[in-house]
Amino acid sequence: AQSVAQPEDQVNVAEGNPLTVKCTYSVSGNPYLFWYVQYPNRGLQFLLKYITGDNLVKGSYGFEAEFNKSQTSFHLKKPSALVSDSALYFCAVRDPSNQGGKLIFGQGTELSVKP
Amino acid sequence: DAGVIQSPRHEVTEMGQEVTLRCKPISGHDYLFWYRQTMMRGLELLIYFNNNVPIDDSGMPEDRFSAKMPNASFSTLKIQPSEPRDSAVYFCASSPTTANTEAFFGQGTRLTVV
Repeated sequence: AQSVAQPEDQVNVAEGNPLTVKCTYSVSGNPYLFWYVQYPNRGLQFLLKYITGDNLVKGSYGFEAEFNKSQTSFHLKKPSALVSDSALYFCAVRDPSNQGGKLIFGQGTELSVKP
Repeated sequence: DAGVIQSPRHEVTEMGQEVTLRCKPISGHDYLFWYRQTMMRGLELLIYFNNNVPIDDSGMPEDRFSAKMPNASFSTLKIQPSEPRDSAVYFCASSPTTANTEAFFGQGTRLTVV
């Protein structure tokens, strides 16, 4: 069965510093991986995805993520954090070899960026 | 397109009452998902449809929960009877046919059962 883990409930970063939000996954085949962001009282917004090809993918608002097949990870990164990046971040996975449509999310990581 | 539309945005009901949440997916999208978000459990997949057919309902917590998709432009999630522990934010999302595309979320329905 497919699953996603976000090992940190909360990440605290100072503005201007780099940030990393961790994600690991488990699927039987090659995964499709996604990152979403949720601001208070809003729905989830898509940030970026990895499907195939280059392991480093770039997305909205300066975010990027690195796919690492050997470590089954897909960590979200940003070189310089902004206070406005403070939000709840979700990692998600689809397994195209098994019920390809099923989209499973991690528990979420609360990112707090302080001035 | 206006995006995924959910109604109502907020619902307060008494324990034992029937609750119906509604979702209109983005036109042309073949997948529709229902999720529940709580502090304790995070974002749980309840059920998802492909071409109006339920594919996986293993996340539906109890028989009190049911979901339907009578046509490509409408889905409902019903709770009967409702209980206080059903209080949560319920999200609907839709995505196009291929699994390598992202899903688009509605604004959610905040359900409070008192």
